[in-house]
Amino acid sequence: AQSVTQLDSHVSVSEGTPVLLRCNYSSSYSPSLFWYVQHPNKGLQLLLKYTSAATLVKGINGFEAEFKKSETSFHLTKPSAHMSDAAEYFCVVRPTGRRALTFGSGTRLQVQP
Amino acid sequence: DVKVTQSSRYLVKRTGEKVFLECVQDMDHENMFWYRQDPGLGLRLIYFSYDVKMKEKGDIPEGYSVSREKKERFSLILESASTNQTSMYLCASSFGRGNNQPQHFGDGTRLSIL
Repeated sequence: AQSVTQLDSHVSVSEGTPVLLRCNYSSSYSPSLFWYVQHPNKGLQLLLKYTSAATLVKGINGFEAEFKKSETSFHLTKPSAHMSDAAEYFCVVRPTGRRALTFGSGTRLQVQP
Repeated sequence: DVKVTQSSRYLVKRTGEKVFLECVQDMDHENMFWYRQDPGLGLRLIYFSYDVKMKEKGDIPEGYSVSREKKERFSLILESASTNQTSMYLCASSFGRGNNQPQHFGDGTRLSIL
């Protein structure tokens, strides 16, 4: 079964420093991968998606993610954290042939002033 | 922009009650989904529907049922609410069968069962 593992449940960074949120996936085939963000008391918002067109995917709000097949990773990065980035982030895979998504357990990002 | 609207943001019900959670989307999406979200567990799929009157069980369907009488509306039903169904419930919709189609989420319903 295809799944994702988010390696950190909590990440804390200072404002202006880089962000790295780690995600590994398991998949027998070329997967569809997504990152979603959830701000407090809100639904999930799509940050970016990987669809095999390019290994480096740019998303909204300055985030990007790199698909590395050799490492089965899809880590999310941002060069400089902003206070408004504080939220929970989910790495998500759509298993081949399935309409529903499989979610990682989430990483809560704290941004310190 | 796609709009997915959940009828209630907060809901408090009693054990044994029949509970209805409603979700409406305005983009003519074929697929609709119900998830529950619990701390440390991420989102888990309860049920989904890929067409009117069609439904499929997700990963945790026990204690729930769904109804999709119209394309834009997908209802989640707790037949006899129990305290372990206290959770955040999220509805989502997506277009077609393509693997790269993202899901669009509502703001969630925080349900408490007393």
